[in-house]
Amino acid sequence: AQSVTQLGSHVSVSEGALVLLRCNYSSSVPPYLFWYVQYPNQGLQLLLKYTTGATLVKGINGFEAEFKKSETSFHLTKPSAHMSDAAEYFCAVSDSGGGADGLTFGKGTHLIIQP
Amino acid sequence: NAGVTQTPKFQVLKTGQSMTLQCAQDMNHNSMYWYRQDPGMGLRLIYYSASEGTTDKGEVPNGYNVSRLNKREFSLRLESAAPSQTSVYFCASSGNSGTAQYFGPGTRLTVT
Repeated sequence: AQSVTQLGSHVSVSEGALVLLRCNYSSSVPPYLFWYVQYPNQGLQLLLKYTTGATLVKGINGFEAEFKKSETSFHLTKPSAHMSDAAEYFCAVSDSGGGADGLTFGKGTHLIIQP
Repeated sequence: NAGVTQTPKFQVLKTGQSMTLQCAQDMNHNSMYWYRQDPGMGLRLIYYSASEGTTDKGEVPNGYNVSRLNKREFSLRLESAAPSQTSVYFCASSGNSGTAQYFGPGTRLTVT
């Protein structure tokens, strides 16, 4: 069974600083990896995904993530934080090889942006 | 194109009452899912339906039942609600293999 670990339930950065949210996964097969963002009292919105191919994935709102198989990691970064980035971020994995069973989520990281 | 819709948005139940949460998608997706979100727990899969006519248990199915009514609709039923089922419930759908899941706005359920 797969699992996802997000290091840090809360991460605080200054506006304009680098954002780094960490995600490590375990999977017995090549994984499909996702980052979602959740704003208060809303559903989850897809930021980016890795399925196959290029290991550096670009998403919406200036975020990107790099799949590193040797480190079993899929960390999310953004060069310069904006106040509007304050939200909950979830990393998720599917190791169904493209099948239709559900995602396994990490517990989430709350991103706080300091002015 | 509304994406994934859920009703109701909020619900308060007393212990032992029953209710059905409704979900519909207009993206012609084959697969649909129900998750619950609890503080500090992330999202956990309750049930999923890989295609019309099939349903399977997820990580936390106890106390729930589901029905895939047709390709568009996937409902979640609580037969006898318990306080432990107080949560935010999300429905999601996905298309072809390897594609992302798209989420509805959620239903906030409180069981007293």
